Amino acid sequence: QVQLQESGPGLVKPSETLSLTCTVSGGSISSYYWSWIRQPPGKGLEWIGYIYYSGSASYNPSLKSRVTISVDTSKNQFSLKLRSVTAADTAVYYCARERTSLFDNWGQGTLVTVSS
Amino acid sequence: DIVMTQSPDSLAVSLGERATINCKSSQSVLYSSNNKYYLAWYQQKPGQPPKLLVHWASTRESGVPDRFSGSGSGTDFTLTINSLQAEDVAVYYCQQYYRSPQTFGQGTKVEI
Repeated sequence: QVQLQESGPGLVKPSETLSLTCTVSGGSISSYYWSWIRQPPGKGLEWIGYIYYSGSASYNPSLKSRVTISVDTSKNQFSLKLRSVTAADTAVYYCARERTSLFDNWGQGTLVTVSS
Repeated sequence: DIVMTQSPDSLAVSLGERATINCKSSQSVLYSSNNKYYLAWYQQKPGQPPKLLVHWASTRESGVPDRFSGSGSGTDFTLTINSLQAEDVAVYYCQQYYRSPQTFGQGTKVEI
């Protein structure tokens, strides 16, 4: 069973860059698509974007200008960078395995708070 | 973007009774070439990530109890939980995966 684990700072200052990494264990990252999804406290889910092991990526147009997702197949990891954050970016960030645009395997999520 | 609208926002159901959650898409999510609806349902329990329950509008994921069933057509879909159990208390989300960006409904909270 594939397991995913998010890691990264829980607190980011406004205007700075949010950086998270997802480590995939129990399976190779060199198949499937791998996504980031976020959930503001008490609110719904927003897909941020995905990456394929080849490095091909796709982003939600609402965040595209600020987001970069990358992959490191040697470490079985993929990463998220979100630039110029504001309080509106405060959320639980999940990494997930994407299967035909469905999300069938999720990490536990990590809360990132944007505050000075 | 395709907007997904769920109703109700919350509902309280007695143990053993039926819960019905509705989801409406702002446009069709039917792919005509394979006649499949690109509509999924997720369950999110407190403090946990979402769990995929149903895809293709009515196909249960492996291991999902058969008291969960999905149905619908056109732009209107339903998740039914028959004989509600205590462990079914959660927020349920629909998701369309017909067109990028994939979008979710706002969620429906099911309580006892």
